[in-house]
Amino acid sequence: QVQLQESGPGLAKPSQTLSLTCTVPGDSISSGDYFWNWIRQPPGKGLEWIGYIHYGGSTYYNPSLKSRVAISVDTSKNQFSLSLSSVNASDTAVYYCARETYCIGGSCSRSSYFDQWGQGTLVTVSS
Amino acid sequence: EIVMTQSPVTLSVSPGKRATLSCRASQSVGSNLAWYQQKPGQAPRLLIYGASTRATGIPARFSGSGSGTEFTLTISSLQSEDFAVYHCQQYKKWPLTFGGGAKVEIK
Repeated sequence: QVQLQESGPGLAKPSQTLSLTCTVPGDSISSGDYFWNWIRQPPGKGLEWIGYIHYGGSTYYNPSLKSRVAISVDTSKNQFSLSLSSVNASDTAVYYCARETYCIGGSCSRSSYFDQWGQGTLVTVSS
Repeated sequence: EIVMTQSPVTLSVSPGKRATLSCRASQSVGSNLAWYQQKPGQAPRLLIYGASTRATGIPARFSGSGSGTEFTLTISSLQSEDFAVYHCQQYKKWPLTFGGGAKVEIK
């Protein structure tokens, strides 16, 4: 069972940058078989997809957040990271990292749904 | 972006009974629809993809149907562990979008 693990500060101040990291077990990131995503869920609300990265560095972001988001990957550490700038109270949420399977048995096709998730980390934006 | 609307928001069902949840897309998503289950304090878990294919390890009492703009998740005989929030997600077009969630509670 893959265990993704989010880490980072649980508190961010308004106008500052929120930074989170997701650690992936083994060498899954370098295999190129997956896309790695960030998804968030404000308290008591639904899920919002933030963006993805592939190990080669290709990214795509939700247009609603695109001007403030950056996702990066560090294959040497088996980690990918989220940076969200100029945060405000509406960015308070549980942030999840999640895996999208791209290749199975050498056959590759975007699936764009999420078969493994981290347990989530709550980030509160408050002064 | 494609807006996903789930109904009802809350469904009260007795254990052993059938639960039926709906998900509507603002435009056609074909069969590019997934369902997730989320229990309190936990991450979502993939149940269904391709509108009707159960993910690995998902019991047969969970079934998905529909295409285009109308989708249904059915739990044939609710077990205690099935009381949770269910989310639908379209992956036809970017950005990927989710419904607001539907809670299945014990009646």
